[in-house]
Amino acid sequence: RKEVEQDPGPFNVPEGATVAFNCTYSNSASQSFFWYRQDCRKEPKLLMSVYSSGNEDGRFTAQLNRASQYISLLIRDSKLSDSATYLCVVWSGAGSYQLTFGKGTKLSVIP
Amino acid sequence: DAGVTQSPTHLIKTRGQQVTLRCSPISGHKSVSWYQQVLGQGPQFIFQYYEKEERGRGNFPDRFSARQFPNYSSELNVNALLLGDSALYLCASRPAVSYNEQFFGPGTRLTVL
Repeated sequence: RKEVEQDPGPFNVPEGATVAFNCTYSNSASQSFFWYRQDCRKEPKLLMSVYSSGNEDGRFTAQLNRASQYISLLIRDSKLSDSATYLCVVWSGAGSYQLTFGKGTKLSVIP
Repeated sequence: DAGVTQSPTHLIKTRGQQVTLRCSPISGHKSVSWYQQVLGQGPQFIFQYYEKEERGRGNFPDRFSARQFPNYSSELNVNALLLGDSALYLCASRPAVSYNEQFFGPGTRLTVL
């Protein structure tokens, strides 16, 4: 089982649609969780951290279920500029110095 | 403030050659990590350095090596290049190893022919 697994995608949605990304992780000791966005041929950039209580940033909502080892990202009212690859990322905390990335899910928002 | 910088931007090498990639972290950041991203995959961890010492290593062969300098900049070396080493090599910095957010540079795109 891969450490971080995401929906394979790609997702093609019309402008204004709501789209959900799902992710599972295998290490139950993982401590921190993130969604990164990566535009074509660019570096990953932090979109938002994910907290157990769930958190929202404008049109973006992230949720974490530690019992199920499941992370989600919801984008409402999709914009053309949301087109990118979304990477689910896990950090195992003290003693582990690396971020573990999922394969990413590509989103294309269509006019 | 300047972000993480990497050089060169692009590089073309042939099989068997050696390559050195360079990274300058954000000012004040003492930790540098290297990642390899093959097309269609997420980044994979190669090395972590903090205060000039290796603090973590991913599942990569000994052909991959790195070092960190007193000014916290870093180099990644890859010997005996294989076609499969073609990838985007990303450097990320953070203030300390306990800081979970990492800031990525634009990457070096390596093509091995």
